[in-house]
Amino acid sequence: DTEVTQTPKHLVMGMTNKKSLKCEQHMGHRAMYWYKQKAKKPPELMFVYSYEKLSINESVPSRFSPECPNSSLLNLHLHALQPEDSALYLCASSHLGVPTYNEQFFGPGTRLTVL
Amino acid sequence: EDQVTQSPEALRLQEGESSSLNCSYTVSGLRGLFWYRQDPGKGPEFLFTLYSAGEEKEKERLKATLTKKESFLHITAPKPEDSATYLCAAATTDSWGKLQFGAGTQVVVTP
Repeated sequence: DTEVTQTPKHLVMGMTNKKSLKCEQHMGHRAMYWYKQKAKKPPELMFVYSYEKLSINESVPSRFSPECPNSSLLNLHLHALQPEDSALYLCASSHLGVPTYNEQFFGPGTRLTVL
Repeated sequence: EDQVTQSPEALRLQEGESSSLNCSYTVSGLRGLFWYRQDPGKGPEFLFTLYSAGEEKEKERLKATLTKKESFLHITAPKPEDSATYLCAAATTDSWGKLQFGAGTQVVVTP
């Protein structure tokens, strides 16, 4: 089973709202990732969580805040977003913790629209 | 600077018309080359991992190969359901889990 689940599937929020995206995997994978994907572009890495350590793409603004309650769950907290943050947000996991050179398995994504 | 380039950007095929997609890479210390398929509005679906030059992987109508400079995804006798964007990505010695994605090839297969 190589399933990564994400909720919600769609989210519309205003610039003053606070919301969270959720990601879950039950494959015992040791690393989890958040990606942002704009239309017609490849996914862009935002965060990596592995072995209880968080790595951040330094270009990601602080209005995005990841949280890992346990090894199977990864949340992305959103606050004071801008319209340009509208995108498909993807969660992924890989069997081995980073550094890793094995494949990542992606969830179905959350389509986020910021008004 | 590490770079992954895919060509062509778009490919239109007749059903049954075989073709190849190219993924060329200039990276320091390739540790893995991955192929994904992505349907509109959905997450990428993992297809293949290639680790060393000369390696080949096959699944149904798809076959991936790897050389020291590029990878090919061959689509044999495609069907309309093979229509998707195909992404390749590289993991390198210094990438620490970050995949370097190409821009993708959008494939449309018409009946």
